[in-house]
Amino acid sequence: GDSVTQMEGPVTLSEEAFLTINCTYTATGYPSLFWYVQYPGEGLQLLLKATKADDKGSNKGFEATYRKETTSFHLEKGSVQVSDSAVYFCALSARPFGANSKLTFGKGITLSVRP
Amino acid sequence: DTEVTQTPKHLVMGMTNKKSLKCEQHMGHRAMYWYKQKAKKPPELMFVYSYEKLSINESVPSRFSPECPNSSLLNLHLHALQPEDSALYLCASSHGLAGGRNEQFFGPGTRLTVL
Repeated sequence: GDSVTQMEGPVTLSEEAFLTINCTYTATGYPSLFWYVQYPGEGLQLLLKATKADDKGSNKGFEATYRKETTSFHLEKGSVQVSDSAVYFCALSARPFGANSKLTFGKGITLSVRP
Repeated sequence: DTEVTQTPKHLVMGMTNKKSLKCEQHMGHRAMYWYKQKAKKPPELMFVYSYEKLSINESVPSRFSPECPNSSLLNLHLHALQPEDSALYLCASSHGLAGGRNEQFFGPGTRLTVL
């Protein structure tokens, strides 16, 4: 079945440090890939997405590139801020797309950024 | 408008109570979802509605009863819950069109405590 593997956490960084959160996936065909972020006490927000190989999703300084050859979708940010402290989930949605296309989540990783 | 709203934000109930969670979206989405999220875990899918019809029930106990009165509203009726049902309940929606955009947008959640 489909699966998403995220690097183990938690991750603690100093403000302005470079961030990489690894994500690899297993799926048949060509899934869509997502990063969701969950701030304390809130629901999940879609951070970015990519729908085909070599697509780069970007938002709020975060980027991730859909790498089919390595089945990866690593999240990066050049300079993190304290406000980026949250839980980050990598997820995929397998074809065929539609209402019944389920999201498969990774375990999530907690990022803490200290001033 | 990419907002999914949920009420109430917090709910405390006894094991003999009956309560309902509400979810609303005005994005014209035709697929709506209920998820359960335990602390430090990814969301777990409970139900999917497609075009106001229940299309997926992930073997959820009958003490949880979903309802979709119209394309914008989704309810989750709760009865005779157990303390282990305490969790964050998230609603989400997506376009729901076959082959179309399949990212899901989440609400802020209802924090449920069962005493």
